[in-house]
Amino acid sequence: AQKITQTQPGMFVQEKEAVTLDCTYDTSDQSYGLFWYKQPSSGEMIFLIYQGSYDEQNATEGRYSLNFQKARKSANLVISASQLGDSAMYFCAMRETVGSNYQLIWGAGTKLIIKP
Amino acid sequence: EAQVTQNPRYLITVTGKKLTVTCSQNMNHEYMSWYRQDPGLGLRQIYYSMNVEVTDKGDVPEGYKVSRKEKRNFPLILESPSPNQTSLYFCASSQWGSPSQETQYFGPGTRLLVL
Repeated sequence: AQKITQTQPGMFVQEKEAVTLDCTYDTSDQSYGLFWYKQPSSGEMIFLIYQGSYDEQNATEGRYSLNFQKARKSANLVISASQLGDSAMYFCAMRETVGSNYQLIWGAGTKLIIKP
Repeated sequence: EAQVTQNPRYLITVTGKKLTVTCSQNMNHEYMSWYRQDPGLGLRQIYYSMNVEVTDKGDVPEGYKVSRKEKRNFPLILESPSPNQTSLYFCASSQWGSPSQETQYFGPGTRLLVL
């Protein structure tokens, strides 16, 4: 079963508009972490933002914020005032405990294209 | 500069010819991991390592080997590559400890084509 679901394979957004990228997750762990990464066309993976399951406040990093709704098991990424350079693939990931170890489970990604 | 390096960045090889992709990090991270990325599938974990001499399988370990003899290095070995291992490979590392420290830092990726 999918543990991380990103329902938007692709999105077009006008420059300077805000954009929300959806992510829902499934876990029975009480302690987990949620991450968003950006992958531009050059291929590298760039960490954007982190939210811990016990964090009461939504995480923010510059123009990025994470809309964390624990009861709904959603962790949507919000990008304010989008820029052309925001065009990229965006991945949501969840840190899950496996025994005494942990691993990151990844969504399939959303391709975001910013239109001038 | 804190970074994760991978070599080579691009590799074309033939079926059955053993290859190694190196990964090195200079952040003294305990945790290291290998992923492969295929279109529409996101990243899938191949192997991970919690510390020196401690490795374990991820979701797609078949056809791969790893070793962790030193904290900074975590090579990925394909003993007998096959065309279905054509993919983009990422090495990543992170601190092991409180969740906020577990952000994974990624290498630049290795594009592998197996003919």
